[in-house]
Order: sequence, then structure tokens, then C-alpha cells
Amino acid sequence: GENVEQHPSTLSVQEGDSAVIKCTYSDSASNYFPWYKQELGKRPQLIIDIRSNVGEKKDQRIAVTLNKTAKHFSLHITETQPEDSAVYFCAARAGYGQNFVFGPGTRLSVLP
Amino acid sequence: EAQVTQNPRYLITVTGKKLTVTCSQNMNHEYMSWYRQDPGLGLRQIYYSMNVEVTDKGDVPEGYKVSRKEKRNFPLILESPSPNQTSLYFCASSGLAGGYTQYFGPGTRLTVL
Repeated sequence: GENVEQHPSTLSVQEGDSAVIKCTYSDSASNYFPWYKQELGKRPQLIIDIRSNVGEKKDQRIAVTLNKTAKHFSLHITETQPEDSAVYFCAARAGYGQNFVFGPGTRLSVLP
Repeated sequence: EAQVTQNPRYLITVTGKKLTVTCSQNMNHEYMSWYRQDPGLGLRQIYYSMNVEVTDKGDVPEGYKVSRKEKRNFPLILESPSPNQTSLYFCASSGLAGGYTQYFGPGTRLTVL
């Protein structure tokens, strides 16, 4: 089955700097890769996603890149702000079903 | 308001006492899932459902049951809870109406003594 690894497990950046979180997946049939943000005590919320027929997607300060050959995808946050501090999860879904596999998460701290 | 609701939000129980966590969505979503979240392990899918009466195992289904008799509801059943099922549980739904984005419920924190 699918296995998703995520690095780093913790990341501290200065406000205004960029943050990059990387994930790798094992199942070449995976075709949908969402990223979720989870603030302390709250539910995960989708922040951006990418499908396997696209190499990059951007939404304001957030971008995701996908390298299907290497089976990895990355989240890029530019001009970080204190409110970006949270745990971020990547996930992969194989085929068109609903079997999602999540990475273990990255705790991002943006220091003022 | 479009939402996924779960009940109860907090539950403390004892080993072996059957319990049900309810999940309901009002977005007419076809797909629903249950996850458990444990520190350092991220979210792990327990079961998912593609539509009414269609369910399938996720990565950690042992010790859990689900049913999907109505489109809006997807209860999670622990017939004989054990301490290793102490966790934070999330229900999620997605469907054509929301572009297949997964919307998560508020979570249920379960403690099994």
C-alpha cells in the first residue's frame, strides 16, 4: 500500500522568510495530493492541492510542486507570518477512490 | 451552513463497553471517511464510504465498524473498545458539490480506560 513520508518534522523560520516542507510517496498510482493545515485544537483544513497532471500550483503565498518521476511533492510558503504557525500534513490518494494516506506532519513555527 | 458534525466531542469510557460516535454532513456529499490522529503518526484512515451501503477498509480498520445507511450519516462503532483505541477521531466528507475537497468534522477525543 501507499506510504507517505514527510520532512522535516519541525521547522522554525523567522517572520518574512520562506518555509518548505517535503513529502515523498511510494505508490505510482497516486494521483491527488492535498495539503492540510491544523491549528492547535482545531480540525485539519485544506490549504492547497495538486493533481498528477499538473507540476505546480500557486495560491497567493502558498505553492505546491509535484515531481511524479521522483514521487515527491513540496509545499512552499513565502513571506511567512505568525498566523502560519501550525501543523501541516501532506496526503496522497491512489486512483479515484477515497483511500487517503497522510504524512506524519510538520510543526511550523514562525518567529516574530 | 455547510458542515460536518460529530458527537460526542469528548468521551471517557471503559474497556469493553460498546460505543458509537456519530458523524453527519449536510452537503449531500457522496464520500465520507473516519480517521484517527495520534501524536507523531498523522491521520490514519480507518474506514471510508463511497456512497450509501458502500464502505471499505482504510489503513487501520481493526476493532472498528461502520455503516452507511443514509447519505448524510456515517457512524463509527467500537464494539469492544480497548485502551489502544484512545485517540482523537475525525470524520470527513467530500463530494461533487465541494469539488471533492475533504471537509473535516470538529473531532472526538476518546479515552478508553
